[in-house]
Amino acid sequence: SAVISQKPSRDICQRGTSLTIQCQVDSQVTMMFWYRQQPGQSLTLIATANQGSEATYESGFVIDKFPISRPNLTFSTLTVSNMSPEDSSIYLCSVEGANGVTDTQYFGPGTRLTVL
Amino acid sequence: KQEVTQIPAALSVPEGENLVLNCSFTDSAIYNLQWFRQDPGKGLTSLLLIQSSQREQTSGRLNASLDKSSGRSTLYIAASQPGDSATYLCAVRIQGAQKLVFGQGTRLTINP
Repeated sequence: SAVISQKPSRDICQRGTSLTIQCQVDSQVTMMFWYRQQPGQSLTLIATANQGSEATYESGFVIDKFPISRPNLTFSTLTVSNMSPEDSSIYLCSVEGANGVTDTQYFGPGTRLTVL
Repeated sequence: KQEVTQIPAALSVPEGENLVLNCSFTDSAIYNLQWFRQDPGKGLTSLLLIQSSQREQTSGRLNASLDKSSGRSTLYIAASQPGDSATYLCAVRIQGAQKLVFGQGTRLTINP
């Protein structure tokens, strides 16, 4: 498996501001993903973070709202821009391909975001 | 479009009972299926992964089965313990993609 950390673990933000969430993995991975879990809901994929190129976004998610960076094989950031209360969710980073293990996705502890 | 459904949404049983959680999916063209556990306010812990060519996987007191043709998977928990209390999520990976499609989860409570 992989050890995944996320910062911050939680935050309370004012509407109209932006928050950048960091995801750090203890080993190089081939794939990194960002998911959102709205209150009482299941997980929805926001985008796949591609190293050295633009992220691939799912339907309903756009780069202007959720810019993503992935500068290397162990680190990625997700920014939630111009936040509104509807953005209050848990944001989770997941990885695949750690230590040569394919097919299985491992998840970070999540970032709990509350927007007032 | 792949849809994943988990029944029941919530389940409460006394300690020591064996129990079954259900997961169904609409498109049988899956690559694999993964069961996760999520504790309140926490991330996901991977429990079991079943490849599309497999019928079941076991880990300790957990056994997951897969019937791809009927679009169903079950997670069997033997001799349940209070520490098993959590939300259990199943997710399918679509063939040709890395994307996981999640069910809504089953919130399990084991009463001492």
